[in-house]
Amino acid sequence: DQQVKQNSPSLSVQEGRISILNCDYTNSMFDYFLWYKKYPAEGPTFLISISSIKDKNEDGRFTVFLNKSAKHLSLHIVPSQPGDSAVYFCAASELGGTSYGKLTFGQGTILTVHP
Amino acid sequence: KAGVTQTPRYLIKTRGQQVTLSCSPISGHRSVSWYQQTPGQGLQFLFEYFSETQRNKGNFPGRFSGRQFSNSRSEMNVSTLELGDSALYLCASTPGQRNEKLFFGSGTQLSVL
Repeated sequence: DQQVKQNSPSLSVQEGRISILNCDYTNSMFDYFLWYKKYPAEGPTFLISISSIKDKNEDGRFTVFLNKSAKHLSLHIVPSQPGDSAVYFCAASELGGTSYGKLTFGQGTILTVHP
Repeated sequence: KAGVTQTPRYLIKTRGQQVTLSCSPISGHRSVSWYQQTPGQGLQFLFEYFSETQRNKGNFPGRFSGRQFSNSRSEMNVSTLELGDSALYLCASTPGQRNEKLFFGSGTQLSVL
């Protein structure tokens, strides 16, 4: 039972345009959401996060939107750059004592930004 | 600050052997978590240690175990290796509260032949 789903295995975008990566979740106990970026043979690098009490969080070119009623979040990258090409993971943390150190990850979306 | 350091970077073992992986967290971080990444299952949580105690555990068999030392360094052990244990094993550290971003190391790539 996959509680965090990234339904698009890959996304291709032109440099300078917007990249939109999507993520759906099923567990209503999730209250903290994160996006990570990963290059091959490296560990994931934190990008941006959002608490369930917010619906938007911005950090430079990155914006995360959370729609709790739809159990959906998205990551917008504007403008996209070739260096953004990587695998992007959506992750979620659950309310309560079982959440220490535990993130539930989606399967990832491969983003390719073409010059 | 130095990041999360994992050793070794690569390991090749045969079925039935055991393996120990090491992780040094960011200085000042007291929580260390371990994850397994495979192409089929993605990133999956193994366990988390805080102040030398296992505080959280994922759904992995007892062959997977870990420990944490007083300096917060952690080791993970896998006994009686199976082919399906071939994966990238990632360690992450945080100060130890809830709803924190995890800082990951580069991982140990384990191949079981």
